[in-house]
Amino acid sequence: DTEVTQTPKHLVMGMTNKKSLKCEQHMGHRAMYWYKQKAKKPPELMFVYSYEKLSINESVPSRFSPECPNSSLLNLHLHALQPEDSALYLCASSLTPGGDTKNIQYFGAGTRLSVL
Amino acid sequence: KNQVEQSPQSLIILEGKNCTLQCNYTVSPFSNLRWYKQDTGRGPVSLTIMTFSENTKSNGRYTATLDADTKQSSLHITASQLSDSASYICVVWGGSYIPTFGRGTSLIVHP
Repeated sequence: DTEVTQTPKHLVMGMTNKKSLKCEQHMGHRAMYWYKQKAKKPPELMFVYSYEKLSINESVPSRFSPECPNSSLLNLHLHALQPEDSALYLCASSLTPGGDTKNIQYFGAGTRLSVL
Repeated sequence: KNQVEQSPQSLIILEGKNCTLQCNYTVSPFSNLRWYKQDTGRGPVSLTIMTFSENTKSNGRYTATLDADTKQSSLHITASQLSDSASYICVVWGGSYIPTFGRGTSLIVHP
């Protein structure tokens, strides 16, 4: 099973709402990632979790709050978002963090977020 | 600054034809280069991974080449199919835990 499952697939929220994105994998991967992708642009790294600990935060605004409750789950809590935060949010996982050639990143299908 | 440049930005070809996508990078130190295929509204899927010692790697009708001296890579698609319509992204890993993504080439295959 090489699947990374993201829910929900689509999300529409107002600027005052609080919502969460969920990501799950059962491949035994110990590194999990959140990316943000705007239309016709490449994914931008937001956060990296390594062995359930936040190891990289790419200067992401505090209205995005990641959480890794266990080695299989990764959440992204959203609060007071802006319309420019509308994007495809991708979750990925790999066996360990880093770009070793044995470390393939598996991506989920993403959550399409619209902020009104 | 690490950069990955891809060309062309978009490409339209007829079904059955071959095409070649280009990727130039200035990532240092260099660890490996990956090509991904991303269907619209989906996550990227890995096609090939190449280190500096590998010149060519194939995955079905996809063949990637790497010239580590000139820091160039190409992805050749043979006998294109409608399902090849997607964005193709070149990603380079260096010495850090953060990869550098290219902007991608949008490929459209027409019947």
